[in-house]
Amino acid sequence: DIQMTQSPSTLSASVGDRVTITCRASQSISSWLAWYQQKPGKAPKLLIYKASSLESGVPSRFSGSGSGTEFTLTISSLQPDDFATYYCQQYKSSSSYTFGQGTKLEIK
Amino acid sequence: QVQLVESGGGVVQPGGSLRLSCAASGFTFSSYGMHWVRQAPGKGLEWVAFIRYDGSNKYSADSVKGRFTISRDNSKNSLYLQMNSLRAEDTAVYYCAKCAGGGDCYDAFDIWGQGTMVTVSS
Repeated sequence: DIQMTQSPSTLSASVGDRVTITCRASQSISSWLAWYQQKPGKAPKLLIYKASSLESGVPSRFSGSGSGTEFTLTISSLQPDDFATYYCQQYKSSSSYTFGQGTKLEIK
Repeated sequence: QVQLVESGGGVVQPGGSLRLSCAASGFTFSSYGMHWVRQAPGKGLEWVAFIRYDGSNKYSADSVKGRFTISRDNSKNSLYLQMNSLRAEDTAVYYCAKCAGGGDCYDAFDIWGQGTMVTVSS
């Protein structure tokens, strides 16, 4: 199975900061990667698909990059609504989808 | 609007069974593959199972294989998860999620339900 590893596990930042979250796959997944945002008590929300494509309605301050085994999610200027937990997910294999362990973005 | 609504969660004893349902609306349910994803309290997301749009292919995580069965009824716009031989470690919020693409779902999950809580405890 493909393993997904996110770093850091927790990130403290301030409104207006630029932040980057990294996701590494245990083998190449090409660009078959998505990023989700989850707030406490709520369902995950799709932000980015195919590594760098922005889901409709998602603010442009969110961006994704990478291919193969290394990927990043960048928030260009943090807003109060962005403090949440972020997950990467690979979907290279239709018989096994894997999420990263999550990155909690906290207010500094 | 596009919506998924889960139901059927509750408290069940170890070894027991439960059937979750997910009602879809606002999109052509019969055209999309569907997933179940779970989240144990305070933990991350774990993919559980997938069913192709026409029900012809099904896949499940090793942790639930042989115990959980995913199914769908396209005439009722509904997705199901039959959970047997439940264990304490199956305690989680269970979400249904729609595949953004067709076929065998080499795609992200673009629509999620609000989740239903399953607690396995004696």
